[in-house]
Amino acid sequence: AQSVTQPDIHITVSEGASLELRCNYSYGATPYLFWYVQSPGQGLQLLLKYFSGDTLVQGIKGFEAEFKRSQSSFNLRKPSVHWSDAAEYFCAVGHSNDYKLSFGAGTTVTVRA
Amino acid sequence: ETGVTQTPRHLVMGMTNKKSLKCEQHLGHNAMYWYKQSAKKPLELMFVYNFKEQTENNSVPSRFSPECPNSSHLFLHLHTLQPEDSALYLCASSGTRDLHTQYFGPGTRLTVL
Repeated sequence: AQSVTQPDIHITVSEGASLELRCNYSYGATPYLFWYVQSPGQGLQLLLKYFSGDTLVQGIKGFEAEFKRSQSSFNLRKPSVHWSDAAEYFCAVGHSNDYKLSFGAGTTVTVRA
Repeated sequence: ETGVTQTPRHLVMGMTNKKSLKCEQHLGHNAMYWYKQSAKKPLELMFVYNFKEQTENNSVPSRFSPECPNSSHLFLHLHTLQPEDSALYLCASSGTRDLHTQYFGPGTRLTVL
């Protein structure tokens, strides 16, 4: 069975600083990988996804993520965070056999002035 | 309306009440999903419908009863719930061309007294 681990429960970052959120997965084949963001009281918004091809993918809001097969990782990055980036971030994994997604437990990002 | 909408956004109900949650997607998708999001836990997939047919019931108690009358609408009928059923219920949809990419609604915050 596939699983997703987000090792950091909570990250605090200063506005303007860089941000990196970690995601590790376990799955035998090449997975479908996603990052979603959830603001308080809202649903999940898709930030970016990786299916194949270039391992560095660009998303909305200035985010990017890099797929590293050797490390089974799909870390999310942003060079300079804004106060509006304070939210909860979820990594998700799907596989080719069906269209269900497995989600990590999420990382809460706090942005300080 | 665009994307995925959910009503009501907030619901408070007693354990003996019967209520329904509604989800509507305006994306032309064929697959729809119900998730439960509880604090500090990963998203839990409850039900999956594809072309109005239920393809997944993730061992959900019978007090939750889904209904999918067409590919655009999804309901979750609730009766005799327990306080531990209090959570954010999220609806999502995905399309035939990209079944793996799910788009979420804003959720219904359910409180069971």
